[in-house]
Amino acid sequence: NAGVTQTPKFQVLKTGQSMTLQCAQDMNHEYMSWYRQDPGMGLRLIHYSVGAGITDQGEVPNGYNVSRSTTEDFPLRLLSAAPSQTSVYFCASSLRDGTSGANVLTFGAGSRLTVL
Amino acid sequence: AQSVTQLGSHVSVSEGALVLLRCNYSSSVPPYLFWYVQYPNQGLQLLLKYTSAATLVKGINGFEAEFKKSETSFHLTKPSAHMSDAAEYFCAVTRSGAGSYQLTFGKGTKLSVIP
Repeated sequence: NAGVTQTPKFQVLKTGQSMTLQCAQDMNHEYMSWYRQDPGMGLRLIHYSVGAGITDQGEVPNGYNVSRSTTEDFPLRLLSAAPSQTSVYFCASSLRDGTSGANVLTFGAGSRLTVL
Repeated sequence: AQSVTQLGSHVSVSEGALVLLRCNYSSSVPPYLFWYVQYPNQGLQLLLKYTSAATLVKGINGFEAEFKKSETSFHLTKPSAHMSDAAEYFCAVTRSGAGSYQLTFGKGTKLSVIP
């Protein structure tokens, strides 16, 4: 299994440009999410999806769009990049633990984005 | 609402010494709690989880954590630090049961191991 695959690993954008961070999982997980990681801030939830066709906002959704047309894919779109969006982005997926119902995340390797 | 506080953004220990990373949580309902580890330039991987079974939870690489409801704590320990334990550690909380998908993470503690 490849697990959770994120592309690209690195990207440099200019202010105002748009781009899409790709995330794909091959584990048939129902839940997928995007986090951003900034120094001293931990991980903050941007958007999440509980299944194909269903998305919702997390803690820091402004400036980002998502869609979930298939179970496998959950792209994150930056419509007009800003320097404040310079960060490391992590995609995660999960399946509920059958006994406890706990949502245990599997993370991708991350995408480092710099906005100039 | 739920939140996590990790005491100490940086912790240094000598190789072979006890590792203690502190995590306190706040949750209005019984929580599930997690510790994740992040090695440099990698994603996060699960170390261990508490899901209301045993309060002392054992994880990978010799780590364990104890859920203490009275202290709202879930501290991570390892009896003897190894150089390979140098990484950043994140505590996370979510609501128990099948109703919540959202994890709230602490700000992380970077562990350095001194030879």
